[in-house]
Amino acid sequence: NAGVTQTPKFQVLKTGQSMTLQCAQDMNHEYMSWYRQDPGMGLRLIHYSVGAGITDQGEVPNGYNVSRSTTEDFPLRLLSAAPSQTSVYFCASSYGSGSNQPQHFGDGTRLSIL
Amino acid sequence: AQKITQTQPGMFVQEKEAVTLDCTYDTSDPSYGLFWYKQPSSGEMIFLIYQGSYDQQNATEGRYSLNFQKARKSANLVISASQLGDSAMYFCAMRRGGYQKVTFGTGTKLQVIP
Repeated sequence: NAGVTQTPKFQVLKTGQSMTLQCAQDMNHEYMSWYRQDPGMGLRLIHYSVGAGITDQGEVPNGYNVSRSTTEDFPLRLLSAAPSQTSVYFCASSYGSGSNQPQHFGDGTRLSIL
Repeated sequence: AQKITQTQPGMFVQEKEAVTLDCTYDTSDPSYGLFWYKQPSSGEMIFLIYQGSYDQQNATEGRYSLNFQKARKSANLVISASQLGDSAMYFCAMRRGGYQKVTFGTGTKLQVIP
């Protein structure tokens, strides 16, 4: 089983460019989320979704857009890349949003903004 | 607001010794779950262990156990008989019942010395 698949694994962008980070899961999970990981700051929630057609903001949503048209896919869009968005991005999913649900993570996307 | 605190940025442990990684949390909700994840140098996030707020016994998974002290709001990870492969970042996370956002601590970098 593939689990959570993120593409690309690495990306370099110029300031002002836009791009979409892809995330797909094959576990029929309702809950999906995007995090960014920066040194010394742990993982910070960008956006999340509790099901197809439903998304909401996390703690650091500015500069990012998401949509969830299917259960499987949850792409993250950078509208106009800024150097402050240089980070490692993780997509995660869980069966539901209950307090006992562990998340399954993709391998991450390392993004550099020049 | 919920918060996770990991006060040990880095730790060393001798191979075959036990080690405790600290995690304290702050929430007023009675229903919540606590999770530990491992991030090796290769970058992926691996779910290790879960403890529910209503669980009467400490969770165990192989060499991992969770020292859950509810009154002190702590959920420390204990790794017994450390192995070189345990060298990694370890993150504590909390998920509240009925609340979709997951909060992570800043992590502890564990290095196992031969």
